[in-house]
Amino acid sequence: TQLLEQSPQFLSIQEGENLTVYCNSLSVFSSLQWYRQEPGEGPVLLVTVVTGGEVKKLKRLTFQFGDARKDSSLHITAAQPGDTGLYLCAGARSNDYKLSFGAGTTVTVRA
Amino acid sequence: GAVVSQHPSWVICKSGTSVKIECRSLDFQATTMFWYRQFPKQSLMLMATSNEGSKATYEQGVEKDKFLINHASLTLSTLTVTSAHPEDSSFYICSATESNYGYTFGSGTRLTVV
Repeated sequence: TQLLEQSPQFLSIQEGENLTVYCNSLSVFSSLQWYRQEPGEGPVLLVTVVTGGEVKKLKRLTFQFGDARKDSSLHITAAQPGDTGLYLCAGARSNDYKLSFGAGTTVTVRA
Repeated sequence: GAVVSQHPSWVICKSGTSVKIECRSLDFQATTMFWYRQFPKQSLMLMATSNEGSKATYEQGVEKDKFLINHASLTLSTLTVTSAHPEDSSFYICSATESNYGYTFGSGTRLTVV
């Protein structure tokens, strides 16, 4: 059982549509991060959220951290084919430095 | 920003041989380094956590005698897959951190054991 439940596992949408990926847990995290990974490469950090209720925006990407710091979401507005990739959420708890990863969401944006 | 260099990016080896993968933090001192394994279309699974100068802490189910980790300095950690077999073929990724807010990942190593 993974500490972070990420959904959906797969998402295929048309260019211009919006999408949301969810990351939920029963545990409280001191920080939660979102990564995007291309095939054959390491994950690239998109954002780190640390405060409950925090909302961060990066161009067309909006990240939310739940008030209780147990869940998070990633919303992409007007998706483009370049947004295609594996999106991973990962959380760190205050008692250690280990990152726990969600199962990942494979996003495909069709032109 | 922080950069982690991982080498080699890919390696093919014969069954029974050993392979060493290096992970270097280029512009910061990594208090902790992590090694992950990733199968196709799956997430990253933590194998072990290493701190400079001390023994690595392995996750449950990971054989410490098969996956040897050395963290001799604050900028270098190595993972050696000993007596590799085809089932060890995978994508191995390292990451390094100075705190639990900043994690930087290497570009990964594709290991194929034939």
